[in-house]
Amino acid sequence: QKEVEQNSGPLSVPEGAIASLNCTYSDRGSQSFFWYRQYSGKSPELIMSIYSNGDKEDGRFTAQLNKASQYVSLLIRDSQPSDSATYLCAVGANTGNQFYFGTGTSLTVIP
Amino acid sequence: DAGITQSPRHKVTETGTPVTLRCHQTENHRYMYWYRQDPGHGLRLIHYSYGVKDTDKGEVSDGYSVSRSKTEDFLLTLESATSSQTSVYFCAISERWDGEQYFGPGTRLTVT
Repeated sequence: QKEVEQNSGPLSVPEGAIASLNCTYSDRGSQSFFWYRQYSGKSPELIMSIYSNGDKEDGRFTAQLNKASQYVSLLIRDSQPSDSATYLCAVGANTGNQFYFGTGTSLTVIP
Repeated sequence: DAGITQSPRHKVTETGTPVTLRCHQTENHRYMYWYRQDPGHGLRLIHYSYGVKDTDKGEVSDGYSVSRSKTEDFLLTLESATSSQTSVYFCAISERWDGEQYFGPGTRLTVT
């Protein structure tokens, strides 16, 4: 079982819609969770970090964390074509000092 | 890219040759990381550093060594490059052990 699992997609949504990206993790002791966006040929770019159960909003992005169910999600409201990218979920190891990354979900926003 | 540079950005080398990749930061962050990214595997940690001269292995450390003699520089060395080490290599930095990691622009390495 992989440490972090994401649906590889591709996920397609129309412009203006809500895109929902999901991630599950296996380390029940993990305390830090992150979403990155990666455009083709570029490096990962941090979107959100979340450490506590519940929702965290930043502009059009909302991260949701449920430690009991071991999942973290990212909602993108009013999706734009510029949001088309691969989204990576990262989970901090319980032992610290490193992340485990999912393989990413490819999102396409259709104009 | 949060004050992180990587050099070289592209490199083609032959099997069996040594290769050193450099990561340089201007943020004075304590933690530095080397990852490789391959299709189907995502980002995998090679080695990381939690201070000058303090390093530890990640999940795919075989065939790689690292050194950190200054806060700002973290070197990744492939002692004898193999074709399986063809990949994109990313350096990342972080202020805290459980904090956000910020990535450099990457190095595309091809071993022929």
